[in-house]
Amino acid sequence: ETGVTQTPRHLVMGMTNKKSLKCEQHLGHNAMYWYKQSAKKPLELMFVYNFKEQTENNSVPSRFSPECPNSSHLFLHLHTLQPEDSALYLCASSQGRGLAPDTQYFGPGTRLTVL
Amino acid sequence: DAKTTQPNSMESNEEEPVHLPCNHSTISGTDYIHWYRQLPSQGPEYVIHGLTSNVNNRMASLAIAEDRKSSTLILHRATLRDAAVYYCILRVYYGGSQGNLIFGKGTKLSVKP
Repeated sequence: ETGVTQTPRHLVMGMTNKKSLKCEQHLGHNAMYWYKQSAKKPLELMFVYNFKEQTENNSVPSRFSPECPNSSHLFLHLHTLQPEDSALYLCASSQGRGLAPDTQYFGPGTRLTVL
Repeated sequence: DAKTTQPNSMESNEEEPVHLPCNHSTISGTDYIHWYRQLPSQGPEYVIHGLTSNVNNRMASLAIAEDRKSSTLILHRATLRDAAVYYCILRVYYGGSQGNLIFGKGTKLSVKP
């Protein structure tokens, strides 16, 4: 398998549930990203990990908790979400060595619905 | 992060060239110009990038104004598969690190058969 994969592709959860989104990259990259794309809004950067260290938290509520156990895997743990958190969650990866273009490769996303 | 301005939408006919404009009047000397696109129901994908000179690759061409305050993405022969939202993004690289990709609303390109 190549590229960036995300599971599950679709997720429906209640506000009291706890779930996790998984992202895996097979590109040998060092940086991984979580983005949120709500309907009719631009992509919003949520978290950045570089060499497994979190380097960016874009004022994301604590009900979203990222985890990066190694440079190939990235998780987004979800708990006590709100209906307004329903969105497409995209994972991306890049070389992360500060050299242009540092192309980000995106996964297909997880479509999350919070009831 | 320096901001970019793009038209909300554009239309093109199939097999005709398309010129997608982007204004970035507050660009700094270290900002690279990147273009990504997002096809329906997919994550964004890289298209092209440049700093000062015009650039060509298999997907598109990037024409950068001499003062770097604007740029144009050129699709030489639009196909139906090029229908997507195109994002123009400025990004800085420094000291072994890189700035974030900050996505705006982009330009939604429609291609008519």
